[in-house]
Amino acid sequence: AQSVTQPDIHITVSEGASLELRCNYSYGATPYLFWYVQSPGQGLQLLLKYFSGDTLVQGIKGFEAEFKRSQSSFNLRKPSVHWSDAAEYFCAVGSNSGGGADGLTFGKGTHLIIQP
Amino acid sequence: ETGVTQSPTHLIKTRGQQVTLRCSSQSGHNTVSWYQQALGQGPQFIFQYYREEENGRGNFPPRFSGLQFPNYSSELNVNALELDDSALYLCASSLVGGGPQETQYFGPGTRLLVL
Repeated sequence: AQSVTQPDIHITVSEGASLELRCNYSYGATPYLFWYVQSPGQGLQLLLKYFSGDTLVQGIKGFEAEFKRSQSSFNLRKPSVHWSDAAEYFCAVGSNSGGGADGLTFGKGTHLIIQP
Repeated sequence: ETGVTQSPTHLIKTRGQQVTLRCSSQSGHNTVSWYQQALGQGPQFIFQYYREEENGRGNFPPRFSGLQFPNYSSELNVNALELDDSALYLCASSLVGGGPQETQYFGPGTRLLVL
């Protein structure tokens, strides 16, 4: 069965500093990988996704992520964070066992705090 | 183009009661998935509906059931509510069968509190 680990529960970054959020996955086949962001009281918004091809993926709001098969990682990065980036970030893997949809498997999330 | 909408936004029920949550999918999307997000956790997949049939199910008991209507809107029904059912329930819609590569677009969720 697939799984996603986000090792950092909380991360605090100063405004203007760079950001990297870690994500490790476990899945037997080529994974379908996603990063979502959730602001307080809101649903999930897709930041970016990876299926195949170029391992560096660009997303919305200046985010990018790099797929590293050898490390089973899909870390999210941003060169300079803004106060509005404060939110909960979720990494997810999509799969299909062949017996029907399995939905997305999410990590537990990383809470990003931005210091002024 | 309208996004995914859910109703109600908040709901309070007591243990043992039944609840129905509603979701309208994004325009053009024919697949709906439901997720449960407990406090401080990531969302967990409950089930998916495609062409009015359940198309996949996560590790949830049968008292969690659903429906999808011809206009692709959907309902999540939970019977015999338990305290642990307190959570944010998220609906997501996607295109054509909702395979693992399809992007899921999430609604704002319904916050359910079971007392």
